[in-house]
Amino acid sequence: AQSVTQPDIHITVSEGASLELRCNYSYGATPYLFWYVQSPGQGLQLLLKYFSGDTLVQGIKGFEAEFKRSQSSFNLRKPSVHWSDAAEYFCAVNYGGSQGNLIFGKGTKLSVKP
Amino acid sequence: EAGVAQSPRYKIIEKRQSVAFWCNPISGHATLYWYQQILGQGPKLLIQFQNNGVVDDSQLPKDRFSAERLKGVDSTLKIQPAKLEDSAVYLCASSRHRTGGSTEAFFGQGTRLTVV
Repeated sequence: AQSVTQPDIHITVSEGASLELRCNYSYGATPYLFWYVQSPGQGLQLLLKYFSGDTLVQGIKGFEAEFKRSQSSFNLRKPSVHWSDAAEYFCAVNYGGSQGNLIFGKGTKLSVKP
Repeated sequence: EAGVAQSPRYKIIEKRQSVAFWCNPISGHATLYWYQQILGQGPKLLIQFQNNGVVDDSQLPKDRFSAERLKGVDSTLKIQPAKLEDSAVYLCASSRHRTGGSTEAFFGQGTRLTVV
């Protein structure tokens, strides 16, 4: 079955430190890949997406993600975390086709220490 | 560009009661999705519309959940009767196209349902 794994449920980093959130997807075909962020009480906001081409993609708020086909991974990174980055982060995939809907991971909650 | 609008933001009902949620997608977006997000989990697709037709409702509990998309624009999701396990945030999203998967989905702020 198609699935997305985010192995880290909760991560705490210090403000100014670097961040990497992990995401792995199942299935053989390369899907369309997304990272969304959700602040408390809010909907989901798209950070970045990968469809094809350059495997390192840049997003909003200083985030980037790297697609590694050999590892079926699409990890999210940020070189220096700000307190306002505290939120929940969701990796999602879309395998396209006639239905083409998003399949989400369970999310990683990010806490930022002052 | 206005975003996806949802109402109400919050709803508390007793089990076995009925409830309805409303969604207005971004103008011109053909595809509309309803997702259920249980606390501590990622969103799960309930139903996907393309214009006013259903594309995927395989995960919709049809014995109690129903949804419609009027004239290919607004949509309502109904639960009747509600169970305790229906407590969740219900997210509506829309995208410009259906196929290919390469179209970004835009999400509303969601409706938080509590069933007591």
